[in-house]
Formats: sequence, C-alpha cells, structure tokens
Amino acid sequence: ETGVTQTPRHLVMGMTNKKSLKCEQHLGHNAMYWYKQSAKKPLELMFVYSLEERVENNSVPSRFSPECPNSSHLFLHLHTLQPEDSALYLCASSPTRGNYGYTFGSGTRLTVV
Amino acid sequence: GQQLNQSPQSMFIQEGEDVSMNCTSSSIFNTWLWYKQDPGEGPVLLIALYKAGELTSNGRLTAQFGITRKDSFLNISASIPSDVGIYFCAGQFFGNEKLTFGTGTRLTIIP
Repeated sequence: ETGVTQTPRHLVMGMTNKKSLKCEQHLGHNAMYWYKQSAKKPLELMFVYSLEERVENNSVPSRFSPECPNSSHLFLHLHTLQPEDSALYLCASSPTRGNYGYTFGSGTRLTVV
Repeated sequence: GQQLNQSPQSMFIQEGEDVSMNCTSSSIFNTWLWYKQDPGEGPVLLIALYKAGELTSNGRLTAQFGITRKDSFLNISASIPSDVGIYFCAGQFFGNEKLTFGTGTRLTIIP
C-alpha cells in the first residue's frame, strides 16, 4: 500500500474514445503530479497541482486535460489520443512544505490502439 | 525540463555482486533522494539525504550526499534477484516541492 491509489491499472482505448485516469491520496499532501513514462525514457513531468491550483503544465497536448477537484483527488481526462501516447502514467503526491520527496502510485498502463 | 545525469544507464550483474551508481547535476540541491521502480509499478522511495556529506544506509543499500551538493551515489551490496528494477535519483531544493529526476539506471541480474 503506497498511500497513492491509481485506477484503472490497465486501460486500452481507441483513438476516438474518451477516458479518465483517477488518482487518490489520503496522506494529507497538498501537491499532486502527473508523470508520463514511455519505454526506456526518463520520467516526463506533465502537470503539477499545488493547493488545488495548476502551477505547471509542461507543454502537454490539449488531448490531455487534468482536473484536481480537491487536494485528495486528481484526474487526467483523455480524448482523441494517438498511439504514441501509450505509456505508463504515474500520479504522485507530496507535502507543499518540507523536503520529503514524492509518494507515487502504481501507475496506469495505457495502450492506445 | 532539467534532468540529472545518472550513470551507468544499465547494469548487468550476477547475484551476489555489489552495485554502484551515481548521479550528477549542474545545480546544487538541498535534498537528494533515491527511488526504485519495479517493473509495471511506480517508484518507491529508498533513501533520503538532507545534508552534504551525509552517508545513510537502508539494509544493503548505502547512499551518500556529495560534498559539493551536486552529486550523490547509491551502493547495493550483495545483490539479490529482487534488486532488479530501475533506480532513479532525484534532487530537491529547500522549500520547493518539485523534484528533478535522473535518467535512471536499469539493473538486471544475470542468472
């Protein structure tokens, strides 16, 4: 149990589908993150939310749309994805103060067909 | 965004061997962290370092915060099959929750 729960664990979707990834944490953290991890590539930061405000968007295409309704939940809405978007999508959370690093979820393995 | 340079990129070792990997940065960090990622899972924190020169152990793992605050290394002694995975270093500035991750070291144990 990592404290950060991601659902679903696996997702296969067509390029015309709309789906959402969910992340939930009950660690009392106030910052949440979405990362993309493609095969044999470094972790790519996508979005950062701090105190429910989006503070960073690393030039992510608009077909990825994040939502943070409260400090415990983070969503990534997906629509009209491309096959190259297939990857492991990781959610993480952290306190906004103090240097304690992130707690990661187990990820959602996304395959776009 | 900024990346930390990790080396080696991959290692192929036999069970029982010791492992050493390092991470270098052009920036000074206040905190260094080491994570391990098992296949198909998210990274899990192994060791956190908060002071230049600090040497910290976690079982067979030992990590050090470089004196210059621009580097860190991780050693694994007497490797076992469950050590297989990707190891990431990460640097953090004081008062800033954002982490900068290394490029990862993939560890494989040859039977």
